[in-house]
Amino acid sequence: AQSVTQLGSHVSVSEGALVLLRCNYSSSVPPYLFWYVQYPNQGLQLLLKYTSAATLVKGINGFEAEFKKSETSFHLTKPSAHMSDAAEYFCAVSDRERGTYKYIFGTGTRLKVLA
Amino acid sequence: DGGITQSPKYLFRKEGQNVTLSCEQNLNHDAMYWYRQDPGQGLRLIYYSQIVNDFQKGDIAEGYSVSREKKESFPLTVTSAQKNPTAFYLCASSMMGYGQYFGPGTRLTVT
Repeated sequence: AQSVTQLGSHVSVSEGALVLLRCNYSSSVPPYLFWYVQYPNQGLQLLLKYTSAATLVKGINGFEAEFKKSETSFHLTKPSAHMSDAAEYFCAVSDRERGTYKYIFGTGTRLKVLA
Repeated sequence: DGGITQSPKYLFRKEGQNVTLSCEQNLNHDAMYWYRQDPGQGLRLIYYSQIVNDFQKGDIAEGYSVSREKKESFPLTVTSAQKNPTAFYLCASSMMGYGQYFGPGTRLTVT
């Protein structure tokens, strides 16, 4: 079965600094990979997705992620953090099981942006 | 506007009562999902459905029930058998494996 590991349940960065949120997946074949953002008391919003096209994926709000098969990683980055980026971020992978797609989520990383 | 709606946003119930959470989508997605989220934890899958009149148990289905009579609707009932029902409930839909779209969530408090 697929699994996703997010390193670091809490990450703090200064405003204007680089954001790096780590995600590693376990899969013998390249999966579909996703990053979501969740603000307090809201649903999850899709930031970006990798579906076997370009390995560098650009998403909303200036975020991007690079699929690295050799490292089984899909880390999320943003060159310059903004106060509005403070939220919880989830990495996910899709897995097909008996004709149905399920999504396996990491445990999340809470990003704090310091003024 | 296409999207997923969940109602109500906040729900309060007494222990021992069943309660039904609504989830509607107009994205024409085949698959729909229910997740539970507890403070500081990730998402745990309760039930999912690929097509009308068919659904499967997720990782924590005990104490919950669902129906899928229409493509657009996937209501979740939290029964009195659920030992710890207070949580944030999220509904999602997807087309194939290309990512999920989530509703705004329902916060259920049972006292």
